[in-house]
Amino acid sequence: QQQVKQSPQSLIVQKGGISIINCAYENTAFDYFPWYQQFPGKGPALLIAIRPDVSEKKEGRFTISFNKSAKQFSLHIMDSQPGDSATYFCAASIAGTYKYIFGTGTRLKVLA
Amino acid sequence: GAGVSQSPSNKVTEKGKDVELRCDPISGHTALYWYRQSLGQGLEFLIYFQGNSAPDKSGLPSDRFSAERTGGSVSTLTIQRTQQEDSAVYLCASSLGTGGGETQYFGPGTRLLVL
Repeated sequence: QQQVKQSPQSLIVQKGGISIINCAYENTAFDYFPWYQQFPGKGPALLIAIRPDVSEKKEGRFTISFNKSAKQFSLHIMDSQPGDSATYFCAASIAGTYKYIFGTGTRLKVLA
Repeated sequence: GAGVSQSPSNKVTEKGKDVELRCDPISGHTALYWYRQSLGQGLEFLIYFQGNSAPDKSGLPSDRFSAERTGGSVSTLTIQRTQQEDSAVYLCASSLGTGGGETQYFGPGTRLLVL
């Protein structure tokens, strides 16, 4: 019940295309859902985050879509660029705690 | 300002040796976390420090793993009698510690290889 399931494991997208990464969870106590971006040799960095009181959050080319009833959330990268090539992790945390449960990551490659 | 720093960046050791990994959090951050990232896996929570409270050690995989945080700042993760399965990237993160759902800032990690 503490798991966050992430798919796909890897993704190849053409430049200008839309990249979509999905995550699903079981624990309804989760109330904060961040996405982290990790480049090779670097630590993960927060990309965008959402709370379950909204269904969508957009920051530039990055959008989180959240479906509370389905217990799913996804990251959409519009107009994907080669510089977006990285590993993306979704995560979830429980109200009042600091512990994040991370997905297994999606390795994205955007072809020039 | 300076981000989270970790040292060493790479560590190669022989099976059975002890290793110490260091983390310097962002100044003013009271919360500090250690994670382990194995190849093809997500980030596995190891331990969490918040101020002067007792640490949450629930993620430590065995009693060979321990961590301390001195003076509420620098933290050291120690792995005793290292095994080959300990090979991974060990990531440290810190946050302000003001409440749940806040941003965790990660260091670049220490890549540990146990031969």
